[in-house]
Amino acid sequence: DTAVSQTPKYLVTQMGNDKSIKCEQNLGHDTMYWYKQDSKKFLKIMFSYNNKELIINETVPNRFSPKSPDKAHLNLHINSLELGDSAVYFCASSQDLRLPHGYTFGSGTRLTVV
Amino acid sequence: GNSVTQMEGPVTLSEEAFLTINCTYTATGYPSLFWYVQYPGEGLQLLLKATKADDKGSNKGFEATYRKETTSFHLEKGSVQVSDSAVYFCAPRHSGGYQKVTFGTGTKLQVIP
Repeated sequence: DTAVSQTPKYLVTQMGNDKSIKCEQNLGHDTMYWYKQDSKKFLKIMFSYNNKELIINETVPNRFSPKSPDKAHLNLHINSLELGDSAVYFCASSQDLRLPHGYTFGSGTRLTVV
Repeated sequence: GNSVTQMEGPVTLSEEAFLTINCTYTATGYPSLFWYVQYPGEGLQLLLKATKADDKGSNKGFEATYRKETTSFHLEKGSVQVSDSAVYFCAPRHSGGYQKVTFGTGTKLQVIP
């Protein structure tokens, strides 16, 4: 049983295209996140949702739009893809944003924009 | 603001050597402290945690002690194995409100036979 699953695992696309990454967690967690990891392994938070409500919205281009249809799903849609969007995107979840619980991460989506 | 500093890698050790990866943080209040490990091609996994001063987190032979006086949470292992080769992230989770996590820059560990 995969706890946090992301699809697709790899995504290669041309500049200017629009793409989506899906994330689902079966842990019953209340909070979900999107992180971007660059080639130097630096992790930057992008968004966080708590029970379908947007809680954290870091300085991210508005070409990136998260959607949470229910608390088990958090999808990421990216419009007009640019070369600099190439990275690994990780979805994560935690039991409650207000408590000191660890995160459970998905295995990542490697996005390559050509 | 909140920040975390990890020692730069890569750290290269021979099998069975002693490992220390330093981590210090700045924060208001008393954060909970975490170490995550990322094996090649995978997502991050929670390795261990400590939620209050002097707590020791441990898992898979790794240990880290919450040192409030030095605001540090150094990761140690007495005898590393080749299978420990990975990137290690220190991650304070700040107290109050929506507890935001700050990830360190990661330290790559390479263990050679």
